[in-house]
Amino acid sequence: QSVLTQPPSVSGAPGQRVTISCTGSSSNTGAGYDVHWYQQLPGTAPKLLIFGDKYRPSGVPDRFLGSKSGASASLAITGLQAEDEGDYYCQSYDRSLSGYVFGTGTKVTVL
Amino acid sequence: QITLKESGPPLVKPTQTLTLTCTFSGFSFNTSGVGLGWIRQSPGKALEWLAYIYWDDDQRYTPSLRSRLTITKDTSKNRLVLVMTAMEPGDTATYYCAHGRIQYFDYWGQGILVTVSS
Repeated sequence: QSVLTQPPSVSGAPGQRVTISCTGSSSNTGAGYDVHWYQQLPGTAPKLLIFGDKYRPSGVPDRFLGSKSGASASLAITGLQAEDEGDYYCQSYDRSLSGYVFGTGTKVTVL
Repeated sequence: QITLKESGPPLVKPTQTLTLTCTFSGFSFNTSGVGLGWIRQSPGKALEWLAYIYWDDDQRYTPSLRSRLTITKDTSKNRLVLVMTAMEPGDTATYYCAHGRIQYFDYWGQGILVTVSS
């Protein structure tokens, strides 16, 4: 049960910029809880990409940029590369559920 | 270096109980702010959070499965256990354990595929 909404897919040519949106509600992202992003490459486990709306863990390229405004968050990938193909998920905390929620997921395709 | 690895049966029958173990290393579960969670992913579907246990033993469950789930930890053996009762075909998924930092998951296990079929 995904309560954070993402577009099913986005695509772009190598070198281009793509953006993935993540929209929640007043009980999660709209309540001020941080948004975090995960990258899941084909056949692998998810990997933390962005935490606390905009911070990158050590080793994550600065091509990945997170932002948040109100109940919506975005992940931008600049200088798109073939190795970026995969699924991307946003995640937050929901106070009504007293637990964690993930987004519906977005498939990134490099044309 | 934090590592996690899930283990358990790859195949269970409908109505049976599933017990998954996550063996972890590289951190102390007695540290304030630390937690471990279980997340699953049905084939071709999105990630779904199942359960979480904090360093102080506070436990949280996804409401839709709360009655079927139990999460426990054994800090002496560096193990996390998830018990899920009344398994059904719709529970077929890859189950991940993940290290938590209050609100997000910074390290994930490789996952274990569990198929529910008679």
